[in-house]
Amino acid sequence: QVQLVQSGAEVKKPGAAVKVSCKASGYTFTNFDINWVRQAPGQGLEWMGWMNPKSGNTGYAQKFRGRVTFSRNTSVTTAYMELGNLRSEDTAVYYCARGRGIAGLDPWGPGTLVIVPS
Amino acid sequence: QTVLTQPPSVSGAPGQRVTISCTGSSSNIGAGYDVHWYQQLPGTAPKLLISGNNNRPSGVPDRFSGSKSGSSASLAIAGLQAEDEADYYCQSYDDRLFGSRVFGTGTKVTVL
Repeated sequence: QVQLVQSGAEVKKPGAAVKVSCKASGYTFTNFDINWVRQAPGQGLEWMGWMNPKSGNTGYAQKFRGRVTFSRNTSVTTAYMELGNLRSEDTAVYYCARGRGIAGLDPWGPGTLVIVPS
Repeated sequence: QTVLTQPPSVSGAPGQRVTISCTGSSSNIGAGYDVHWYQQLPGTAPKLLISGNNNRPSGVPDRFSGSKSGSSASLAIAGLQAEDEADYYCQSYDDRLFGSRVFGTGTKVTVL
């Protein structure tokens, strides 16, 4: 079955960077985009951007440009999200989700909790 | 900034019908972009509930339906069940944000 498995929770100091992985299985990795969405505690969903695993093309939400980088390793069907210069407001659960163009995101990974103490 | 507005909460008794609105503008839903809906059960990742305005992915009960008109969209839950208690989010795209995906503010559905 189609599945996305994410790396474990992280605690990072302010100013540091975090890299979250998202391993895909059950489908052809290069045929679908990977999107990244985050959710701060008790808050709503916030889209961060997307990456095309085949071309490596990326699109970042304006808010995160310059601070986030998406990458992938097609040999292990894994996508990565690296967020730098962390601050306490970046404390959130980070989700990867499969997408294609403007279709809905399906499925979603289980999420990775990133904590940045103030 | 808030692009898609949803009511914070909606409630209903088991068996009732509830609807959740998603209000946008001419730069997103009104521009003709599709609307998707997601269900997030407590402590879990979101799940695609309605795709492309009114299409249910395989496995989604037909109690859930979506519609879109003008700059707004709606999600209806008919025959409300206890397991429907969750947060629901609409999602579309916005021209002013260079075609980025945007999520609604989210609605908590409570089954009385």
